[in-house]
Amino acid sequence: DSGVTQTPKHLITATGQRVTLRCSPRSGDLSVYWYQQSLDQGLQFLIQYYNGEERAKGNILERFSAQQFPDLHSELNLSSLELGDSALYFCASSVGDRRGELFFGEGSRLTVL
Amino acid sequence: GENVEQHPSTLSVQEGDSAVIKCTYSDSASNYFPWYKQELGKRPQLIIDIRSNVGEKKDQRIAVTLNKTAKHFSLHITETQPEDSAVYFCAASIAFSGGYNKLIFGAGTRLAVHP
Repeated sequence: DSGVTQTPKHLITATGQRVTLRCSPRSGDLSVYWYQQSLDQGLQFLIQYYNGEERAKGNILERFSAQQFPDLHSELNLSSLELGDSALYFCASSVGDRRGELFFGEGSRLTVL
Repeated sequence: GENVEQHPSTLSVQEGDSAVIKCTYSDSASNYFPWYKQELGKRPQLIIDIRSNVGEKKDQRIAVTLNKTAKHFSLHITETQPEDSAVYFCAASIAFSGGYNKLIFGAGTRLAVHP
């Protein structure tokens, strides 16, 4: 158990809909990262937050947005869903210092029908 | 932008043989290079990492080497076992205080170890 909690574990929805994925980082970790992993693909970096502020951005679509709240949990919002958005979405957390090690949650599997 | 290339994409070895996976990175400011193992349907888990001030690091059957000049690093697994079968991801990042750490992953190597 990495200590990173993601909900929901599975989500099935229809095209055009909007979903919210939630992540609670490890106790004491200030940084949260979101990654997308499509079937048999690599880990695509979406966005990173540190102590409530956006720190780094990857190839995140405009239809996607995220935020980190004062209690350090984070949410990833996916809107106007398309079939190609079906993927495993991982959240990871780290302390946020030079050590750099990321701890991944179990992921949220999104299926868009 | 930052890029990490990983080779090979698939690797098949016999139990007991060694396996080597290689990665190159583009950003010379990168200072942290972890390797993650992902079993089917599971989360990626850190197996070993190396920082830019070190050339080699070993942990039992796994070792990582780093060549900063050439901007490449490698994972070596010796005496492979069937339970080593998984997808392995290399990554590179610039990590410093203040929370900035953009970890970019390679595309992954699917390792199959045959008994």
